[in-house]
Amino acid sequence: AQSVTQLDSHVSVSEGTPVLLRCNYSSSYSPSLFWYVQHPNKGLQLLLKYTSAATLVKGINGFEAEFKKSETSFHLTKPSAHMSDAAEYFCVVSERNAGNMLTFGGGTRLMVKP
Amino acid sequence: EAEVAQSPRYKITEKSQAVAFWCDPISGHATLYWYRQILGQGPELLVQFQDESVVDDSQLPKDRFSAERLKGVDSTLKIQPAELGDSAMYLCASRIKLAGDNEQFFGPGTRLTVL
Repeated sequence: AQSVTQLDSHVSVSEGTPVLLRCNYSSSYSPSLFWYVQHPNKGLQLLLKYTSAATLVKGINGFEAEFKKSETSFHLTKPSAHMSDAAEYFCVVSERNAGNMLTFGGGTRLMVKP
Repeated sequence: EAEVAQSPRYKITEKSQAVAFWCDPISGHATLYWYRQILGQGPELLVQFQDESVVDDSQLPKDRFSAERLKGVDSTLKIQPAELGDSAMYLCASRIKLAGDNEQFFGPGTRLTVL
């Protein structure tokens, strides 16, 4: 069975400071991992994905995430937050033997202060 | 850029009424998903289609929910009768095919409020 835990329900940063959104996963097999972003009243947009290639994954809008198998983590980072980054972020795990079904974490709301 | 379309965007209904949501996936996408997202939580899969066939509906409350994709293109999700606990965002997603590393694309969702 697969599961995802996002360690912080809310994160608040000042504009221009680094962002760290934490995610731990549980998976019986080699998983694929994703980060999605959801702006208010909008659909989910894929930020980046890990599918067993390079462990450091770069995504859109300056975000990146590092897959650490030993820690079962896939934390999302960005060097410098922008006001437009304020949104809900979801860490997601998928397993091929589960029909590539996506399992979402509970989400982390990122707030960016001016 | 091709997008997943959903309608209506917002729906307010009274409990015990019937509601229906529509989804039009990206053209050529064989796999279609319906998710329910309760406020403050991540989306949870309700049903998954491959073309016109249901692949997984294990999490669909079948006593009141139904979903169809008759021609393997667009899809309808129905709730009858609606209950207060059904208030949520209903998201549709599609992907080119079930197998392989291909992205799920999400629609904007339908926000349902049951009074």
